[in-house]
Amino acid sequence: EDQVTQSPEALRLQEGESSSLNCSYTVSGLRGLFWYRQDPGKGPEFLFTLYSAGEEKEKERLKATLTKKESFLHITAPKPEDSATYLCAAFGSSNTGKLIFGQGTTLQVKP
Amino acid sequence: GAGVSQSPRYKVAKRGQDVALRCDPISGHVSLFWYQQALGQGPEFLTYFQNEAQLDKSGLPSDRFFAERPEGSVSTLKIQRTQQEDSAVYLCASSLSGGETQYFGPGTRLLVL
Repeated sequence: EDQVTQSPEALRLQEGESSSLNCSYTVSGLRGLFWYRQDPGKGPEFLFTLYSAGEEKEKERLKATLTKKESFLHITAPKPEDSATYLCAAFGSSNTGKLIFGQGTTLQVKP
Repeated sequence: GAGVSQSPRYKVAKRGQDVALRCDPISGHVSLFWYQQALGQGPEFLTYFQNEAQLDKSGLPSDRFFAERPEGSVSTLKIQRTQQEDSAVYLCASSLSGGETQYFGPGTRLLVL
């Protein structure tokens, strides 16, 4: 059964303290790995799509990487406005396009 | 262009009441998905449409849940005889086609009393 697991569940950082969020996946024939950001009371906001192991994408202070078993979201010198829940989701060849989500990592960045 | 919109944003229902949740996808997006998100959890798939065809409804939790997209654009998720366990945020997403990036609406927060 396809499965996505994120760790840690919660992360508290000081402003400027870099860290990484982990997303482990077990998906048959991975066709895409997605990262979303979700603020309280809002829908998930798209950040990145990764398609193959070794691929990396960057946007401002965020960088997403992909291996055959995991994806990492690296946050460099975070700011308080980066505080949110970060969701990882996978799309595999055995389904019709639905995303399998992890439970999310809630990030709090303190000034 | 406008993103995905959903209405109502909040809905309070009495147990046993029927509710209807609406989703307006991004114009031109062929694929439309419904997800259910419990508090503190990631979204869980409910159902998927390609144009007006419902290609996957494996995530619908019971026969009280019904979704339609009659003209291949707006979609409605209907929940009959609501139960307390139906309380959640219902998210709609659309994409150009299945497998492409999905863009989410703000969600409808349903509370069943």
